[in-house]
Amino acid sequence: KNQVEQSPQSLIILEGKNCTLQCNYTVSPFSNLRWYKQDTGRGPVSLTIMTFSENTKSNGRYTATLDADTKQSSLHITASQLSDSASYICVVSPDYTNAGKSTFGDGTTLTVKP
Amino acid sequence: DTEVTQTPKHLVMGMTNKKSLKCEQHMGHRAMYWYKQKAKKPPELMFVYSYEKLSINESVPSRFSPECPNSSLLNLHLHALQPEDSALYLCASSQDTSGSGANVLTFGAGSRLTVL
Repeated sequence: KNQVEQSPQSLIILEGKNCTLQCNYTVSPFSNLRWYKQDTGRGPVSLTIMTFSENTKSNGRYTATLDADTKQSSLHITASQLSDSASYICVVSPDYTNAGKSTFGDGTTLTVKP
Repeated sequence: DTEVTQTPKHLVMGMTNKKSLKCEQHMGHRAMYWYKQKAKKPPELMFVYSYEKLSINESVPSRFSPECPNSSLLNLHLHALQPEDSALYLCASSQDTSGSGANVLTFGAGSRLTVL
């Protein structure tokens, strides 16, 4: 069964600090892994997308890494801001199948405090 | 235009009401999706339309009825819902339905549904 596990479930950090969120997956075959940010009551917004051959992808203060051998990904947030408070969802898609059949992780809820 | 627009943002309905959720995109995407999301849970796929044809129905109860009038519009008709159907309903679109690396789901802001 395809699974995506994220850790920690929730995280509280102080403004300006860095943090790293983890995503482990068992989806096979593998096509791509995406990180989304979801503010409360809003739809998810794509942060990064990585395919099998990519090890790292940055989007501003967000940097995602991917190790396709160990099936692990991380999302590193640098110099956190209050607006980073949100749920971060890891989504993994298998090859050549429907994008909607992607497997979603349960998300990590990040709270950034002043 | 790189947005998926959903209306209404909030909807309160009784169990005997008939209402509809609407979704619109003008990115030329040919695949559109409905997801249901309960609090603190990831989105759950309900329906997928590919080139205006229903391609996936994830065993959703018939009280939810999707409709894709054209490639830019997606509706979700609601009838005789239950209180447990209260959730955030998300619409998404993608270039097509392939799982290729470039095919990113673009989500709308969601419609918050409350069934009394």
